[in-house]
Amino acid sequence: DTGVSQNPRHKITKRGQNVTFRCDPISEHNRLYWYRQTLGQGPEFLTYFQNEAQLEKSRLLSDRFSAERPKGSFSTLEIQRTEQGDSAMYLCAGTSGVMGETQYFGPGTRLLVL
Amino acid sequence: EDQVTQSPEALRLQEGESSSLNCSYTVSGLRGLFWYRQDPGKGPEFLFTLYSAGEEKEKERLKATLTKKESFLHITAPKPEDSATYLCAVLISSGSARQLTFGSGTQLTVLP
Repeated sequence: DTGVSQNPRHKITKRGQNVTFRCDPISEHNRLYWYRQTLGQGPEFLTYFQNEAQLEKSRLLSDRFSAERPKGSFSTLEIQRTEQGDSAMYLCAGTSGVMGETQYFGPGTRLLVL
Repeated sequence: EDQVTQSPEALRLQEGESSSLNCSYTVSGLRGLFWYRQDPGKGPEFLFTLYSAGEEKEKERLKATLTKKESFLHITAPKPEDSATYLCAVLISSGSARQLTFGSGTQLTVLP
């Protein structure tokens, strides 16, 4: 158990609806990452935070996606106007320390867009 | 463009039959290479980090090695509980970039 939790674990929604996922890392995780994983592929980077600052965003993160990390603790990832292509597992990972590079993943949120 | 390629895509072994998984990478400025294990429906579980060519790490039946172009995950006398997808990922030195670039994984099945 990495101590990183994600909610909900599963989400089914209809195309066009908005969804929000939450990630709770452990308190030591000053950096927090979001990845997306589709079936048979490795996770793909979406965005990451250093404390509350969003430092990098992938080109995969379209305008319909937004992420926040208020107060440098938990983080949320919102997808607006969902499309069927958004169906995937959304993973959150945390890492700690100035030089710490190992990312510890949560269990993921599986999204299905009908 | 940074690339990570894993082979084979799938591997079936009999219990006790040792083998190796390959991860080849083409990146500029490798900062670290990571191996993860992922069970169906779960998040990746960290196994090893390797930082420089020649480095080796071991954990139970697993041993990871690193060269300048590839990494191997050796599995000695595997058991059915070793069945999972094994992912490798690289971290590059590039400005503020801290994200991992993953390969597509090797799906390992160990038959009793």
